[in-house]
Amino acid sequence: EAQVTQNPRYLITVTGKKLTVTCSQNMNHEYMSWYRQDPGLGLRQIYYSMNVEVTDKGDVPEGYKVSRKEKRNFPLILESPSPNQTSLYFCASRTDITLNSPLHFGNGTRLTVT
Amino acid sequence: GQNIDQPTEMTATEGAIVQINCTYQTSGFNGLFWYQQHAGEAPTFLSYNVLDGLEEKGRFSSFLSRSKGYSYLLLKELQMKDSASYLCAVNDYKLSFGAGTTVTVRA
Repeated sequence: EAQVTQNPRYLITVTGKKLTVTCSQNMNHEYMSWYRQDPGLGLRQIYYSMNVEVTDKGDVPEGYKVSRKEKRNFPLILESPSPNQTSLYFCASRTDITLNSPLHFGNGTRLTVT
Repeated sequence: GQNIDQPTEMTATEGAIVQINCTYQTSGFNGLFWYQQHAGEAPTFLSYNVLDGLEEKGRFSSFLSRSKGYSYLLLKELQMKDSASYLCAVNDYKLSFGAGTTVTVRA
């Protein structure tokens, strides 16, 4: 089944403890992206990647890192999480940015930082 | 910069029609997506408009006017399961989303 898989679904952590949220897609998509979703603010892009080893900042990149060493994986790293990073996170992928292809979303990761 | 506006909430009765408007001012534009998102779940793709006009898909239709920076999603014959948030998203190189419109369908 074609899908985007994120793990974990739920995560509670403490301020300053490094964490990684994994994202993997099995559709051979070139483009991958991370979003955070907060009430009243909608989906805001954190980072995106147009292909392997190509990543770029979205609208709210501060406090996050990403890497794209393989086409299928696009992990999100929080080196020193803070309470304002408590949010619902979505990973998404699409064929590429030149085609009019929709984003396919993972099921989300609800992160709480205390 | 990107500016995408949608109403925050709408309420309608089962069986009725609801129109969700989306206006945008963006630096790039290749088309406009509509997504549906049930509470706590991932957004799912509904429709995509590249050219001006109306696209119909069953009970859902989407309209685009590029010259006016305007789109709407029309939901007909509303069902309880249509209670969800509806997100419009402008397709520039990074797909920018509006804040979403929460639609509540009452019996």
